[in-house]
Amino acid sequence: QVQLVQSGAEVKKPGASVKVSCKASGYTFTTYTMHWVRQAPGQRLEWMGWINADNGNTKYSQKFQGRVTITRDTSASKAYMELSSLRSEDTAIYYCARDSGTTYNWFDPWGQGTLVTVSS
Amino acid sequence: DIQMTQSPSSLSASVGDRVTITCRASQSISSYLNWYQQKPGKAPKLLIYAASSLQSGVPSRFSGSGSGTDFTLTISGLQPEDFATYYCQQSYSTPYSFGQGTKLEIK
Repeated sequence: QVQLVQSGAEVKKPGASVKVSCKASGYTFTTYTMHWVRQAPGQRLEWMGWINADNGNTKYSQKFQGRVTITRDTSASKAYMELSSLRSEDTAIYYCARDSGTTYNWFDPWGQGTLVTVSS
Repeated sequence: DIQMTQSPSSLSASVGDRVTITCRASQSISSYLNWYQQKPGKAPKLLIYAASSLQSGVPSRFSGSGSGTDFTLTISGLQPEDFATYYCQQSYSTPYSFGQGTKLEIK
């Protein structure tokens, strides 16, 4: 079955960077785009960007432009999301989610989420 | 950017009830609207895609409708496992955006 498994929780200090991984299994990794979405405490889901797992092309939300970098390692079937210059407002659960591969771009499945806590 | 607004933000209902959640987009998004269910401590789960298509494995008591700017998610015959938070999402254009969520609670 298609599954996305993310790396474990992180605690970072303000100004630091964090890199979260997402390992895909059950399908050909390069066939689908991968998205990253975050959810701060009590907030709505927020799309951060995507990566075309085949050619590595990326698109980021303007909100995170300059601070977020999404990469992939096709040999390991992994996608990565790195967020830099962390501040307390970046405390959130970060999810990877596979694109549908259709023009409607729904997200399914999702990883289990990675809690990133930013605190001095 | 497209703003998504759900109503109500919270809803109390009983097992067996029929409930409807509304999602409105700030501009027309055709049928590029998806619905997700999220339970506490879990990742979102896809229920409905392209406004009205039921994801495989999702019970038929869930249905979606609408196009343009106004959409609805209906649950016919609430079951105990349906009490959760529901989010709509537009996938018409980036940045893809979500509604604020509707928390469905047991009355």
